[in-house]
Amino acid sequence: QQQVKQSPQSLIVQKGGIPIINCAYENTAFDYFPWYQQFPGKGPALLIAIRPDVSEKKEGRFTISFNKSAKQFSLHIMDSQPGDSATYFCAASSNTGKLIFGQGTTLQVKP
Amino acid sequence: ETGVTQSPTHLIKTRGQQVTLRCSSQSGHNTVSWYQQALGQGPQFIFQYYREEENGRGNFPPRFSGLQFPNYSSELNVNALELDDSALYLCASSLGTATDTQYFGPGTRLTVL
Repeated sequence: QQQVKQSPQSLIVQKGGIPIINCAYENTAFDYFPWYQQFPGKGPALLIAIRPDVSEKKEGRFTISFNKSAKQFSLHIMDSQPGDSATYFCAASSNTGKLIFGQGTTLQVKP
Repeated sequence: ETGVTQSPTHLIKTRGQQVTLRCSSQSGHNTVSWYQQALGQGPQFIFQYYREEENGRGNFPPRFSGLQFPNYSSELNVNALELDDSALYLCASSLGTATDTQYFGPGTRLTVL
């Protein structure tokens, strides 16, 4: 019940494409859903986060869509660039400060 | 504003040894959380420290222990190292213990031989 399942494991898109990464959770007590971007040899960097009271949030080229009834949320990257090539992690937390991470998605954006 | 820093960057130890990893939290943050990230996996929560007290622990054995100091910096100690302890150890700081934004440091890469 504490798991966050992320898919796909890897993703290849052309420059300008819109990669979509999906996550699903079971614990209805989760109330905070961040996405992190991680480059090789670096720590995760917060991209964008959402709480269950909204269905969508946009920050620049990154959009989170949230479906509370389905217990799913997804990250969309608009107009993807080669510099977006990285590993993306979804996560969830239930007001405890303990982040539960998905398994990660390795994104490659081809020029 | 200073971000989260960790030291050392890399560390090589042998099985059975002990290791101490260090973390300085972002300016103004009073909470530090530690995570273990095995190769190709997402980070796994080890424990959190708030105002020098442990505030929540993940599924890690007691040989993983920590400290937080009055300036909110923190240490992660691992005793009796095992080969499976080889991982990237990440420290994250936040303002508060609840569902607050956590900012991660660059990590310490630990290799156990």
